[in-house]
Amino acid sequence: DTAVSQTPKYLVTQMGNDKSIKCEQNLGHDTMYWYKQDSKKFLKIMFSYNNKELIINETVPNRFSPKSPDKAHLNLHINSLELGDSAVYFCASSPLIAGPSYEQYFGPGTRLTVT
Amino acid sequence: AQSVSQHNHHVILSEAASLELGCNYSYGGTVNLFWYVQYPGQHLQLLLKYFSGDPLVKGIKGFEAEFIKSKFSFNLRKPSVQWSDTAEYFCAANNNAGNMLTFGGGTRLMVKP
Repeated sequence: DTAVSQTPKYLVTQMGNDKSIKCEQNLGHDTMYWYKQDSKKFLKIMFSYNNKELIINETVPNRFSPKSPDKAHLNLHINSLELGDSAVYFCASSPLIAGPSYEQYFGPGTRLTVT
Repeated sequence: AQSVSQHNHHVILSEAASLELGCNYSYGGTVNLFWYVQYPGQHLQLLLKYFSGDPLVKGIKGFEAEFIKSKFSFNLRKPSVQWSDTAEYFCAANNNAGNMLTFGGGTRLMVKP
């Protein structure tokens, strides 16, 4: 069973379009995240979402908006796509409780290409 | 500001060579440290993590890392690499459960058969 899943795996779209990436976790975790990995493999946090509390990385443009219908889902909606949005987007989840068992589990990634 | 830095961007080794990848962090207070691996075309997988206790942490696939508080370092080691270890390695940190991870820039390891 897949712990953290994302759809679609690949997304090719044109500039100016609006698109969404879906993420689901079946681990019962309290917290979910979105990360962006650029062409140089640099990973950067975009959002953290825990119990309806959203923590935004202030460097993320407001064209990006996470939406969480429930604790198991955190979708990423992107408005007015730009060429620079091309990247691999990873969803992750983690339990809130600290301790040796804590880690973030990552999804398989969504490769977004904006043309 | 919180940051994680990896000094080696690209490392090329022959099979059976020993590996050490550097990681330094800048964090206030208690820090949790992680090493993740990303095999070509795959998602990130956890190799090992440090929260407290023994500063020498053993992970999967024969990897280990040592937390040296005085040096703000958490270097990854493996005594003998294999071709299958070819991957991108990321050091990461946070200072509380549920907090966002800060990643280093990654180290691309290529192991020649």
